[in-house]
Amino acid sequence: ETGVTQSPTHLIKTRGQQVTLRCSSQSGHNTVSWYQQALGQGPQFIFQYYREEENGRGNFPPRFSGLQFPNYSSELNVNALELDDSALYLCASSQQGKETQYFGPGTRLLVL
Amino acid sequence: KQEVTQIPAALSVPEGENLVLNCSFTDSAIYNLQWFRQDPGKGLTSLLLIQSSQREQTSGRLNASLDKSSGRSTLYIAASQPGDSATYLCAVGPAQGGSEKLVFGKGTKLTVNP
Repeated sequence: ETGVTQSPTHLIKTRGQQVTLRCSSQSGHNTVSWYQQALGQGPQFIFQYYREEENGRGNFPPRFSGLQFPNYSSELNVNALELDDSALYLCASSQQGKETQYFGPGTRLLVL
Repeated sequence: KQEVTQIPAALSVPEGENLVLNCSFTDSAIYNLQWFRQDPGKGLTSLLLIQSSQREQTSGRLNASLDKSSGRSTLYIAASQPGDSATYLCAVGPAQGGSEKLVFGKGTKLTVNP
C-alpha cells in the first residue's frame, strides 16, 4: 500500500470551468509530482513541487498550476478547461534525493 | 527530447508462458529506468528500477535488463499467470532531473489467458 491518496476519484466538468485536484503524499515525503495520462497513453509529467516551490515543469500551459502546503500535500489547478484535458491525473510522492516514487490511484477528469 | 517507445502495444499469451516486453528510448543520457504495472483505471505500481550504471535487476519472476548505449530495456516475465494481466509501462529518468520527472512510454497491455 503506497499511502498516497488523491481526491476526488472522479470528476465531471464542462469546458471553460476550473478544477482543483488534491493529493496527500506519503508520510515523510517532501516532493510531489503530477502527471496527466490520457486514454491509451503513458503519463506525461506536468510539474513537481519540493518544499512548497515548483521544481521543474513539463510542456503544459500556464493554466495548469499547483501548490504544495507545509504538510507536503499538494493541489493541481486547471483553469479554462478544454475537452483534451479529459484524462487520469496521477500524483506521486517521494523523498527528495530518493529514487522511488509512490503513485496515488489518480483522479479521472472528464470535460464535456 | 527524450522519447520512449514500447513494443508490442498489446500481447496475449497462455498461462505459463515466458514473455518479453520491449522498451526503447532515444537519448541514452538517463539517470535510471523503471518498469511499472498499471491495472485498469488505477495508479502505478513500481516493479523494478535499474540505475544507469546497472545492467539488470530481478524481483521474483521478473527480470529487467538495460542496455543504455543502444537505448533498450526488456522486461522478462517467467511462468506468466492470469494475475499478471495489466498494462506495463517503461519510464526513464532523464540525467537532467533524475527519476522524479519521468518520461513514459505508452505501455504494453498484457493479457494472460487461463
